[in-house]
Amino acid sequence: AQSVTQPDIHITVSEGASLELRCNYSYGATPYLFWYVQSPGQGLQLLLKYFSGDTLVQGIKGFEAEFKRSQSSFNLRKPSVHWSDAAEYFCAVGAGGGADGLTFGKGTHLIIQP
Amino acid sequence: EAGVAQSPRYKIIEKRQSVAFWCNPISGHATLYWYQQILGQGPKLLIQFQNNGVVDDSQLPKDRFSAERLKGVDSTLKIQPAKLEDSAVYLCASSLRRSGGWVYGYTFGSGTRLTVV
Repeated sequence: AQSVTQPDIHITVSEGASLELRCNYSYGATPYLFWYVQSPGQGLQLLLKYFSGDTLVQGIKGFEAEFKRSQSSFNLRKPSVHWSDAAEYFCAVGAGGGADGLTFGKGTHLIIQP
Repeated sequence: EAGVAQSPRYKIIEKRQSVAFWCNPISGHATLYWYQQILGQGPKLLIQFQNNGVVDDSQLPKDRFSAERLKGVDSTLKIQPAKLEDSAVYLCASSLRRSGGWVYGYTFGSGTRLTVV
């Protein structure tokens, strides 16, 4: 069965600084990988996804993520964070095939310091 | 296009009572999912429907949870009787199935926040 680990429960970053959120996955085959953002009281918004091809994926709101098969990682990055980026970030893996349910990590809470 | 609709937004019930949540997926989306998100955790898949058939319900606590999608469109998730540990946000999602590869348009609703007291 697949699993996702997000090692950092909380991360604090100053506004304008760069950001990297870590994600490690466990899955036997080539995974489908996702990053979602969730603001308080809101649903999940897809930031970006990786299916195949170029391992550097561009997403919305200036985010990008890099798939590294050798490290089983899919880290999320942003060169300069804004106060509005404060939220909960979830990494997820999908198995594909007939069952498309996603397995999520526990999330990383991003705090932006002024 | 309209998103995934869920109701109610909030629900407070006493333990041992029953509760039902409703979800209307994006028009044309054949696949519907129910997730449970406990505070401080990521969402966990409870059940997946393809049209009106169940694809995966391996993580659904079937002694108290049930779900149906009778006409292959909207869906209802029920808990009976509720326990304190059922307090969570229940998220519905839908997607457009394709043959081979990943699905298209995987979209989540805003969820129903359940508090069991």
